[in-house]
Amino acid sequence: NAGVTQTPKFRVLKTGQSMTLLCAQDMNHEYMYWYRQDPGMGLRLIHYSVGEGTTAKGEVPDGYNVSRLKKQNFLLGLESAAPSQTSVYFCASSYTTQGGDTQYFGPGTRLTVL
Amino acid sequence: AQSVTQLGSHVSVSEGALVLLRCNYSSSVPPYLFWYVQYPNQGLQLLLKYTSAATLVKGINGFEAEFKKSETSFHLTKPSAHMSDAAEYFCAVSYTGGFKTIFGAGTRLFVKA
Repeated sequence: NAGVTQTPKFRVLKTGQSMTLLCAQDMNHEYMYWYRQDPGMGLRLIHYSVGEGTTAKGEVPDGYNVSRLKKQNFLLGLESAAPSQTSVYFCASSYTTQGGDTQYFGPGTRLTVL
Repeated sequence: AQSVTQLGSHVSVSEGALVLLRCNYSSSVPPYLFWYVQYPNQGLQLLLKYTSAATLVKGINGFEAEFKKSETSFHLTKPSAHMSDAAEYFCAVSYTGGFKTIFGAGTRLFVKA
């Protein structure tokens, strides 16, 4: 049982390049989330998904796109990377969103945009 | 709207001393409250959570937190700090029917030998 995994762990991009971050979970969770973590700002929600084939915007969605073609996978795309997108990205999943449900986090992807 | 405020971005204690990390929340509906811990270069993991049962919640590694509705607080405590407690701690709030969990900015705990 691997829990939540993220690929890649590290990446360096040049401004304007594109990339996709992959998140996979093996807990059969319906709900998945992408966050970014920046110093002093905690975690901010980028996009989330309440089930296969559905996605919704979070707090800071601009410059990102997502897809949830399979229940176990949630992809985060950067179409044209900018230095402001330098951050650590975390994927999380939960069984429900009924208030007190725990979110399970992946180990993170550290992205640097030059 | 729901929000979380963590008082102190950095807290330093000596090994064996009391740990107190402060969290205040704002919520127009009954909240669910969480503390997550993040060790260096790792993702967040749940430390404990309040889900409207007992107001004093015990978590892993000797941590506990008390929900005080009148003070809108959910402070995290541990009687005796250990070097292995050095990490970043996040308070978070969610609510029934909401799809999102709101995280505080985090408090980094340093433990001195």
